[in-house]
Amino acid sequence: EVQLLESGGGLVQPGGSLRLSCAASGFTFSSYAMSWVRQAPGKGLEWVSAISGSGGSTYYADSVKGRFTISRDNSKNTLYLQMNSLRAEDTAVYYCAKDTPLYHTKYYFDYWGQGTLVTVSS
Amino acid sequence: EIVLTQSPATLSLSPGERATLSCRASQSVSSYLAWYQQKPGQAPRLLIYDASNRATGIPARFSGSGSGTDFTLTISSLEPEDFAVYYCQQRSNWPRTTFGQGTKLEIK
Repeated sequence: EVQLLESGGGLVQPGGSLRLSCAASGFTFSSYAMSWVRQAPGKGLEWVSAISGSGGSTYYADSVKGRFTISRDNSKNTLYLQMNSLRAEDTAVYYCAKDTPLYHTKYYFDYWGQGTLVTVSS
Repeated sequence: EIVLTQSPATLSLSPGERATLSCRASQSVSSYLAWYQQKPGQAPRLLIYDASNRATGIPARFSGSGSGTDFTLTISSLEPEDFAVYYCQQRSNWPRTTFGQGTKLEIK
């Protein structure tokens, strides 16, 4: 059974930093790209970042480029999102999602974690 | 950026009725479009991928159609558990992706 479990959310002051983790199980983690998607309170879904299965390629939404860093440790089956220079508008539930398998493109998010809430406020 | 516009924003129907939800893309996304269902406090669930293929375990009352810029999600006969928010997503410019703003399907 595929499971994705996020952790690391919490309350942080504007300008602060936070690192989110997503522990994966039930599939060959290194064979899949992974993504982070966020949802501000009462709002829709916004893609944040993606990383290839090897970790060698990373992609970011313009809204977080230069502030957030996605990474993964395939030996630990864990995905990370390092968030720096946080702003009030970064307040959201952050979901990790299983993305595209190796040697494929244009897949969809067939599994999601339960989400972790990040609140940026003074 | 490819913008997805969903309509209507809210749809009020009764159980047993047919629901038709629309998603329009600002440029062609071919058939690289998915639909998700999200209930309060839960993560989104994949319903339809590549415009018309049901994901694993999704009931046959859910169907998707369209290509290019205009897409439709149809629920043939609403069950009580179908009242939720629905999002479309495009993957034409993979690995980047965008979502529509959502359609809330509520009980009339």
